[in-house]
Amino acid sequence: GENVEQHPSTLSVQEGDSAVIKCTYSDSASNYFPWYKQELGKRPQLIIDIRSNVGEKKDQRIAVTLNKTAKHFSLHITETQPEDSAVYFCAATVGTASKLTFGTGTRLQVTL
Amino acid sequence: DAGITQSPRHKVTETGTPVTLRCHQTENHRYMYWYRQDPGHGLRLIHYSYGVKDTDKGEVSDGYSVSRSKTEDFLLTLESATSSQTSVYFCAISPTSTQDTEAFFGQGTRLTVV
Repeated sequence: GENVEQHPSTLSVQEGDSAVIKCTYSDSASNYFPWYKQELGKRPQLIIDIRSNVGEKKDQRIAVTLNKTAKHFSLHITETQPEDSAVYFCAATVGTASKLTFGTGTRLQVTL
Repeated sequence: DAGITQSPRHKVTETGTPVTLRCHQTENHRYMYWYRQDPGHGLRLIHYSYGVKDTDKGEVSDGYSVSRSKTEDFLLTLESATSSQTSVYFCAISPTSTQDTEAFFGQGTRLTVV
């Protein structure tokens, strides 16, 4: 089955700096790569996603890049703000059943 | 937010007792999932359903069973709870379209087995 590895496990940046979280996946048939943000005690919520026929996608301060050859994808957050502090999960899925395999999460701390 | 609710939100139970968690959706989505979340493991798929009475196992299905008798309800049962099943359980739903695989999560159920 699919295996997703995520790094780093914790990340501390100063407000205004950029943050990058990286994930690798094992199944070359994976075709959908979402990123979820989870605030303390809350549910995971989708913040951005990318499909395998796209190399990069942006939404305001966040962007995701996908390298299918290397089987890795990354989340980029620019101009970080304190409200970006949360745990971020990458995931990958194959096929129509939408079964997500998650990475182990990155705790992002944005300091003033 | 998608119409998805989990019940109960919190439960403490004793080892060896059966426990059932409920996920209810109002979106008429075809796919429903149960995940558990543990520190250091992220979210792991327990079971999922692709229609009424159609279910399949996920990555960590041992000790769990599911049922889906109606589109809107997906039940997760721990037949005989163990301390290793102490976790936060999330239900998720996905739309019918194969082109849109976004998953929406419920609020979670914190289960403690003592």
